[in-house]
Amino acid sequence: GENVEQHPSTLSVQEGDSAVIKCTYSDSASNYFPWYKQELGKRPQLIIDIRSNVGEKKDQRIAVTLNKTAKHFSLHITETQPEDSAVYFCAASLYSGAGSYQLTFGKGTKLSVIP
Amino acid sequence: DVKVTQSSRYLVKRTGEKVFLECVQDMDHENMFWYRQDPGLGLRLIYFSYDVKMKEKGDIPEGYSVSREKKERFSLILESASTNQTSMYLCASSSNYLDRPPLGSYEQYFGPGTRLTVT
Repeated sequence: GENVEQHPSTLSVQEGDSAVIKCTYSDSASNYFPWYKQELGKRPQLIIDIRSNVGEKKDQRIAVTLNKTAKHFSLHITETQPEDSAVYFCAASLYSGAGSYQLTFGKGTKLSVIP
Repeated sequence: DVKVTQSSRYLVKRTGEKVFLECVQDMDHENMFWYRQDPGLGLRLIYFSYDVKMKEKGDIPEGYSVSREKKERFSLILESASTNQTSMYLCASSSNYLDRPPLGSYEQYFGPGTRLTVT
């Protein structure tokens, strides 16, 4: 099965700085890579996703890059704000038949943005 | 807005009890998932279902079973609860089709979670 490694497990940055979270995956057949944000006491929510036919995707202060050859993908948050403080999960997905994607998640990164 | 609801936010059960966790979604999604979330271990898939009465094992199915009799409802069953099943349980749903909400995405929508304590 798929295995997703996520680093670092904790990350502290000053407000306004950039944050980068990196993930690697093991199955070269994986073709969908979402990132979820989970604020304290709340449910995970999708913040950005990328499919394997795309190398980079941006949405305002958030970007994701994908290197299929190296089997790694990264989340970049620029101009961090205190409300970016949360746990971030990367995931890799294999198409499991009948139209469904099964996600394998990394263990999470706790991001703290210091005002 | 997609709404995924779970039957309980907090649940306390005794070892050996049969436990039912229920999840309901209102977006006509084909896929539904059960995860458990433990500190430092992330989200681990227990079971998923891509259609009514269909189920597939995830990464950690041992000690669990599921039931999907209606499209909108997916139940997780602990036949005989044990203390190592104390955890946060999250349900999620998603669509197979890119032309349905959320457009262009296979986003999984999560429920609020059930914190289960087995004593």
